[in-house]
Amino acid sequence: KAGVTQTPRYLIKTRGQQVTLSCSPISGHRSVSWYQQTPGQGLQFLFEYFSETQRNKGNFPGRFSGRQFSNSRSEMNVSTLELGDSALYLCASSKGGKNTEAFFGQGTRLTVV
Amino acid sequence: AQSVTQLDSQVPVFEEAPVELRCNYSSSVSVYLFWYVQYPNQGLQLLLKYLSGSTLVESINGFEAEFNKSQTSFHLRKPSVHISDTAEYFCAVTVSGNTGKLIFGQGTTLQVKP
Repeated sequence: KAGVTQTPRYLIKTRGQQVTLSCSPISGHRSVSWYQQTPGQGLQFLFEYFSETQRNKGNFPGRFSGRQFSNSRSEMNVSTLELGDSALYLCASSKGGKNTEAFFGQGTRLTVV
Repeated sequence: AQSVTQLDSQVPVFEEAPVELRCNYSSSVSVYLFWYVQYPNQGLQLLLKYLSGSTLVESINGFEAEFNKSQTSFHLRKPSVHISDTAEYFCAVTVSGNTGKLIFGQGTTLQVKP
């Protein structure tokens, strides 16, 4: 069974641009969550989508947005990139019910120059 | 609000020695606790979890963790480490069993030396 797939693996963008990251969950999983990982702030929760609806949201500015499609694939968008947005962005998928295991993708390494 | 504190940012240890990675949580309601491991340039892998029942949980590769409600701790232990255990370890908490929103500690880098 295929795992969580994130594309692209690496990305370099210029300050002020926008970027879209993609996450394909494990087949049958309806919940997709996004996290930002940086050396200074560690792993921080961005948002969770379940059945195409945002179910939880972290404390990030509105420049960070996401969506989920009917096939459970999810995209995350960051507009007006800042140098501080450089990070590893991790996606996790789960069945979405109580106490179900979250499986993580390998992440997208975003560098903003 | 829930929070997780990992008390050590780095833990160096010699191969075959025992190790303990410490994790304390803060929550006013029932929590569910997890340990994840991250190898370089990889995503996170679930090591073990506490949901309910026995306070001692074990993983298949020799790690164990004990949930201590009175001390609000969930420390990770292994009696004998291997070089291959070198990685970053994260303690995480969630509330009401929704693993779609995990709150992570800052991580502990385990460095196993030969």
